[in-house]
Amino acid sequence: EVQLLESGGGLVQPGGSLRLSCAASGFTFSSYAMSWVRQAPGKGLEWVTAISGSGRSTFYAHSAKGRFTVSRDNSRDTVYLQMNSLRAEDTAVYYCAKDDGGWPPSKFDYWGQGTRVSVSS
Amino acid sequence: DIQMTQSPSSLSASVGDRVTITCQASQDITNYLNWYQQKPGEAPKLLIYGASNLKTGVPSRFSGSGSGTDFSFTISSLQPEDVATYYCQQYDDLPLTFGGGAKVEIK
Repeated sequence: EVQLLESGGGLVQPGGSLRLSCAASGFTFSSYAMSWVRQAPGKGLEWVTAISGSGRSTFYAHSAKGRFTVSRDNSRDTVYLQMNSLRAEDTAVYYCAKDDGGWPPSKFDYWGQGTRVSVSS
Repeated sequence: DIQMTQSPSSLSASVGDRVTITCQASQDITNYLNWYQQKPGEAPKLLIYGASNLKTGVPSRFSGSGSGTDFSFTISSLQPEDVATYYCQQYDDLPLTFGGGAKVEIK
């Protein structure tokens, strides 16, 4: 059974940093691209970033470029999202999502339950 | 970036009704379109990929159609468990983009 378990969310001040983790199980982790998708309170879904199975390819939404970094450790079946220079508008539930293929990302066949990030002073 | 516009943003229908949601892309995306269902308090779930392909295990009352810039998603007979927000998402080009969502409620 595929499982994705996010962690690392919390309350952070504007300008601060957080590192989210997503531990995967139930599939051959290194064979699939992984994405982070966020949802601000009461709003829709926004794709943030993706990383290929090997980790060699990444892509970012404009809102994340230059501030967020996605990485993965295939020996630990874990994908990370390092978020720096956080702003109030980054407040959201962050979902880890498994792609059903390699690269480029296309469709998310499994999602975690999300981790909540709040940016406030 | 490719903009995805969904309509209506919300609707209320009776159990057994046929419900249709549309999604328009700002440019031709061929059939590179997915539909997701998100129930309150839950993560999204993939229902349809490639505009019209039903994911295994998804009830057959759900269907999708369209190509190019205009797409539709239909629930042939609305059930109480279908109360959710439905999102389209294009994968023709990066960045991936979602529509704004369509909230479906029971009348």
